Amino acid sequence: AQSVSQHNHHVILSEAASLELGCNYSYGGTVNLFWYVQYPGQHLQLLLKYFSGDPLVKGIKGFEAEFIKSKFSFNLRKPSVQWSDTAEYFCAVNAWGTGFQKLVFGTGTRLLVSP
Amino acid sequence: DGGITQSPKYLFRKEGQNVTLSCEQNLNHDAMYWYRQDPGQGLRLIYYSQIVNDFQKGDIAEGYSVSREKKESFPLTVTSAQKNPTAFYLCASSGGGVQETQYFGPGTRLLVL
Repeated sequence: AQSVSQHNHHVILSEAASLELGCNYSYGGTVNLFWYVQYPGQHLQLLLKYFSGDPLVKGIKGFEAEFIKSKFSFNLRKPSVQWSDTAEYFCAVNAWGTGFQKLVFGTGTRLLVSP
Repeated sequence: DGGITQSPKYLFRKEGQNVTLSCEQNLNHDAMYWYRQDPGQGLRLIYYSQIVNDFQKGDIAEGYSVSREKKESFPLTVTSAQKNPTAFYLCASSGGGVQETQYFGPGTRLLVL
């Protein structure tokens, strides 16, 4: 069965610090990869997604993620975080073998950015 | 205003009681999903539906039931067989294709009295 690991459960950063959140998945075939974000009191929403092509994908609010197939990883990055980035971040994977989108989510990383 | 609505925002359940969580979407999406969110466990899939009148069990379906009689509606019933129902429940919808984005509702928090 597929699984997704997010090793950082809680991250605390100061404003302007750089961010990298780890995501590793276990599936040997073709995958689609997603990062979702849940801001306090708001709906879960999509940050970015990878399907094919350039392994460096850019999303909303200055976030980007790099797909490294050999490492089964899809880490999320932002060069300079803001207080408004305080949220919970979820990595998710969909395996093509299902023929239908059925996401498996990681356990999430809570990011707190101090002003 | 397109989106997904869930009601109620908070729901209280007594021992032995079945409760139903509502999920409605006006995005014309074929696929709908129910997730359970617990602290430190992320989102786990309860049930999903690819099309009207069809639904499939997810990873943690025991103690839950669903129906999909209309394209826009996918209610979830938490039965008395679910021994640990206290959680945050999220409904989502998408076009269903593997590259589609899932859109989420605001969630329902279920508490047991």
